[in-house]
Amino acid sequence: QVQLQESGPGLVKPSETLSLTCTVSGGSISTYYWSWIRQPPGKGLEWIGYIDYSGSTVYNPSLMSQVTMSVDTFKNHFSLKMSSVTAADTAVYYCARASVTTYYYYMDVWGKGTTVTVS
Amino acid sequence: SYVLTQPPSVSVAPGQTATITCGGNNIGSKSVHWYQQKPGQAPVLVVYDDSDRPSGIPERFSGSNSGNTATLTISRVEAGDEADYYCQTWDSGSDHVVFGGGTKLTVL
Repeated sequence: QVQLQESGPGLVKPSETLSLTCTVSGGSISTYYWSWIRQPPGKGLEWIGYIDYSGSTVYNPSLMSQVTMSVDTFKNHFSLKMSSVTAADTAVYYCARASVTTYYYYMDVWGKGTTVTVS
Repeated sequence: SYVLTQPPSVSVAPGQTATITCGGNNIGSKSVHWYQQKPGQAPVLVVYDDSDRPSGIPERFSGSNSGNTATLTISRVEAGDEADYYCQTWDSGSDHVVFGGGTKLTVL
């Protein structure tokens, strides 16, 4: 049973860089695609982007200028960095496993989420 | 970019059928997925590829997709189904995931 666990600082200062890691257990990171999603307080879900085991990435166009994702297949984890954060980046951040083909993209395993406050 | 529109709220009595819609331009040509999110918890995939259910999801949850509307149907609604539900698809035009705004299901 694959499980995902987010980790990282819960508090980030404005203009600094938010850094989170998602550790994959119970399965290899070298299959599937790996996503980040966030949810501001009281609001809906926003997809940030995905990365595959080779390091290929696709980012949400609205966040592309801020976002960098990376993967470490030896440690079986992947990471998110968001630069120049503002209060608008305050959210619960989720990592998730994605099944992807040319026709669909869905997320079938999610981490519990980690709250990041920019203040 | 592609927009998915959901009603903000749906209410249903226990034992009845809940229908949650997700509107989008020619959404019937896309693959649509549905997530359930209870307060303080991560989303859970309940329907994928329009109408398939992941293992462990009750048969009471079903989906359909045609024309400009995708639909999540929950039969014999239980109190435990009360949650926010989000539809999601892939926007091939701009290469990114799109979520609907979410629908709060209230069980009366």
